[in-house]
Amino acid sequence: DAGITQSPRHKVTETGTPVTLRCHQTENHRYMYWYRQDPGHGLRLIHYSYGVKDTDKGEVSDGYSVSRSKTEDFLLTLESATSSQTSVYFCAIRGGDTGELFFGEGSRLTVL
Amino acid sequence: LAKTTQPISMDSYEGQEVNITCSHNNIATNDYITWYQQFPSQGPRFIIQGYKTKVTNEVASLFIPADRKSSTLSLPRVSLSDTAVYYCLVGDSVAGNNRKLIWGLGTSLAVNP
Repeated sequence: DAGITQSPRHKVTETGTPVTLRCHQTENHRYMYWYRQDPGHGLRLIHYSYGVKDTDKGEVSDGYSVSRSKTEDFLLTLESATSSQTSVYFCAIRGGDTGELFFGEGSRLTVL
Repeated sequence: LAKTTQPISMDSYEGQEVNITCSHNNIATNDYITWYQQFPSQGPRFIIQGYKTKVTNEVASLFIPADRKSSTLSLPRVSLSDTAVYYCLVGDSVAGNNRKLIWGLGTSLAVNP
């Protein structure tokens, strides 16, 4: 296992509330990613990080912010959750000689 | 950005060899071909990666013709536990940072007893 954990694994919240998902790695990898996965869509990149305090947007970044104050933690925040953000969120780290991605087990978020 | 096309679904039986073909007509010189497997309620898992010709590991083989416009993932003697979605991705994942990888819907493989 790549030593990557996500929390919480499941969360139900109401529209308009802030939500923070946490991704924690024990591998000291530089690159970390947040994806969302929805039926009828492939994985879509929300934000990624290439080092402490270095982050950039992915293809579906609207409504999301991220922070990385330590190498091991990458936080995804929904500033004001909407029903369209109901999804499964995956964190990933880039590692290995092939640049392969190691994924966490996912966080299922339901926004009512 | 290199886009891939692969079958939406495939069916097989235990013990058979399964070949999933992916087309990537606009693959770039620096692009590698990477396959991932995803089980329900889990994140994708790396299977194999190649640049050209043939690559084999303990799980699968990857065949890439000389023009690199397609690739075939071969799973030998599948079992029920190989039922999953398989994704083909093309990008410079070795030198780059994966941010430009495009994840399609993958191929949903069902292995029947």
